[in-house]
Amino acid sequence: QVQLQQSGAELVKPGSSVKISCKASGYTFTSYDMHWIKQQPGNGLEWIGWIYPGNDNTKYNQKFNGKATLTADKSSSTAYMQLSSLTSEDSAVYFCARSNNYFDYWGQGVMVTVSS
Amino acid sequence: ETTVTQSPASLSMAVGEKVSISCKTSTDIDDDMNWYQQKSGEAPKLLISEGNTLRPGVPSRFSSSGYGTDFVFTIKNVLLGDEGIYYCQQSDNVPLTFGSGTKLEIK
Repeated sequence: QVQLQQSGAELVKPGSSVKISCKASGYTFTSYDMHWIKQQPGNGLEWIGWIYPGNDNTKYNQKFNGKATLTADKSSSTAYMQLSSLTSEDSAVYFCARSNNYFDYWGQGVMVTVSS
Repeated sequence: ETTVTQSPASLSMAVGEKVSISCKTSTDIDDDMNWYQQKSGEAPKLLISEGNTLRPGVPSRFSSSGYGTDFVFTIKNVLLGDEGIYYCQQSDNVPLTFGSGTKLEIK
């Protein structure tokens, strides 16, 4: 069965960077886009971007250009998102989600807290 | 960018009632609308995908309709287990965008 297992919660300092992971199993990793979605506490869902692990093509929401960097490791079927120059506005839960035009499978989410 | 306007923001319904949620888009998206349910502390779950297609394993009490810019999501005979937040999401163009969510409470 398809599973997306994300890394654990992160507590990071303002101005720093964090890299979170999403390990895929149960399907051919290189055949589907992997998307990342942000959810701030009490808020809705915001699309960050996607990576296609088959050729490492990426597409970002302009709002996250320079903030998020998406990569993928085919050998371990793992997608990564690095967030840089963190501020309190980056405190949120971040989900990875497999896409078949729609988000059919989701990771459990990673809570990132930015605090000094 | 396609803006998705979802209403109402919240609903309080009794078991057995019918729920209707509206999403309107600022551009024509054909039938590229998807609907998700998010329960407290969990990731969203896809219920209905493009073309008003019910996902495998999702009860037929859930349905949607619409094309172009106006979409409606319906739950017939709502159950206690349907509590959560429901989101619509357009997959026609980037950036992909979500509605603001409808919080469903069951009385």
